[in-house]
Amino acid sequence: DAGVIQSPRHEVTEMGQEVTLRCKPISGHDYLFWYRQTMMRGLELLIYFNNNVPIDDSGMPEDRFSAKMPNASFSTLKIQPSEPRDSAVYFCASSRGELFFGEGSRLTVL
Amino acid sequence: ENQVEHSPHFLGPQQGDVASMSCTYSVSRFNNLQWYRQNTGMGPKHLLSMYSAGYEKQKGRLNATLLKNGSSLYITAVQPEDSATYFCAGGYQKVTFGTGTKLQVIP
Repeated sequence: DAGVIQSPRHEVTEMGQEVTLRCKPISGHDYLFWYRQTMMRGLELLIYFNNNVPIDDSGMPEDRFSAKMPNASFSTLKIQPSEPRDSAVYFCASSRGELFFGEGSRLTVL
Repeated sequence: ENQVEHSPHFLGPQQGDVASMSCTYSVSRFNNLQWYRQNTGMGPKHLLSMYSAGYEKQKGRLNATLLKNGSSLYITAVQPEDSATYFCAGGYQKVTFGTGTKLQVIP
């Protein structure tokens, strides 16, 4: 299996622009998680899905963040409009028990 | 709200030493506790899972114990390739990570 696939690996954008991060989970995994990692706050859980349904989005910082999982093989995390404080590495992970992480998307908002 | 704390934040043992780290957790509903390792520039990778207090697990040079509200992880005979950040994570479905212990092995 190819593992969890995230794109893009790096994104540099200007404040105010829309950012869309993408994730393809491992086939057969019924949980999908989005995490954000910064030096100051470590790995923060933003939202997780079970069988494509959002279960807990209490970690989503504010209304500028949204996530969707239209089917079992694809999820997006969107930030609109982006701000410099959103700069971080965003990880997607899928699970049937332990979590399998993608390589992350490093976002820089100027 | 789930919380996980690590101790120490940084560890710098000499090659061949034992590295010892721990975490404490407060989660709303416990299912299991997991340890992960993250190398620079990569996503965390699962090392092992534990399911009840008193549970011990050995995997190669890793030895972990699950306590009532935390866990300890020992790495024996540390090697430079063990250098990474180690996380424990817990919670039922809503898996919460701590900030981790950064291990830097001195050759």
